[in-house]
Amino acid sequence: GAGVSQTPSNKVTEKGKYVELRCDPISGHTALYWYRQSLGQGPEFLIYFQGTGAADDSGLPNDRFFAVRPEGSVSTLKIQRTERGDSAVYLCASSFDSGYEQYFGPGTRLTVT
Amino acid sequence: DQQVKQNSPSLSVQEGRISILNCDYTNSMFDYFLWYKKYPAEGPTFLISISSIKDKNEDGRFTVFLNKSAKHLSLHIVPSQPGDSAVYFCAAANTGNQFYFGTGTSLTVIP
Repeated sequence: GAGVSQTPSNKVTEKGKYVELRCDPISGHTALYWYRQSLGQGPEFLIYFQGTGAADDSGLPNDRFFAVRPEGSVSTLKIQRTERGDSAVYLCASSFDSGYEQYFGPGTRLTVT
Repeated sequence: DQQVKQNSPSLSVQEGRISILNCDYTNSMFDYFLWYKKYPAEGPTFLISISSIKDKNEDGRFTVFLNKSAKHLSLHIVPSQPGDSAVYFCAAANTGNQFYFGTGTSLTVIP
């Protein structure tokens, strides 16, 4: 079946702009995670959804970052007033219930100029 | 503060030999450990996991060993194949569903 998909695959934006990154999880997976991966680092946890609600958003770095999952499927990560330090690959993963085996999408590479 | 560490950024192994990738962690509350494999321009792919109640888990050519007293785990791949060349991430989780990843080890298997 279809895996986790993320759009766009690449996004270049200017400092100060607003961006939205989309994640389509595997059908039937109730848990959804967002991670950020900077160059030379491992994925860093941002937020975890169980269904429509954010069960844990403690990884969001500041209030410029926000994520929604209104119907319990597709999720959007929103970044306001982007900064050059936000440049990274943003990964989405989903899992059945809150099982430990997470399936990752290919990521969105965000570049803030 | 890095709770999961992979101190070897790269490793080269001859085809057919054993690859050993290492990982250390600091948080004794972690109860589940995973290894992910990542190819360029793709997301990480789950490889193998181990619960803290076990010290070994085997799946084909892949075996993960956990030493809780040393807070250390390792991934053994034997025999290594060229298709195993990728970046390997170690990850640890607790019941809070937060996953902590290491910085990765780039494995090159030389034909």
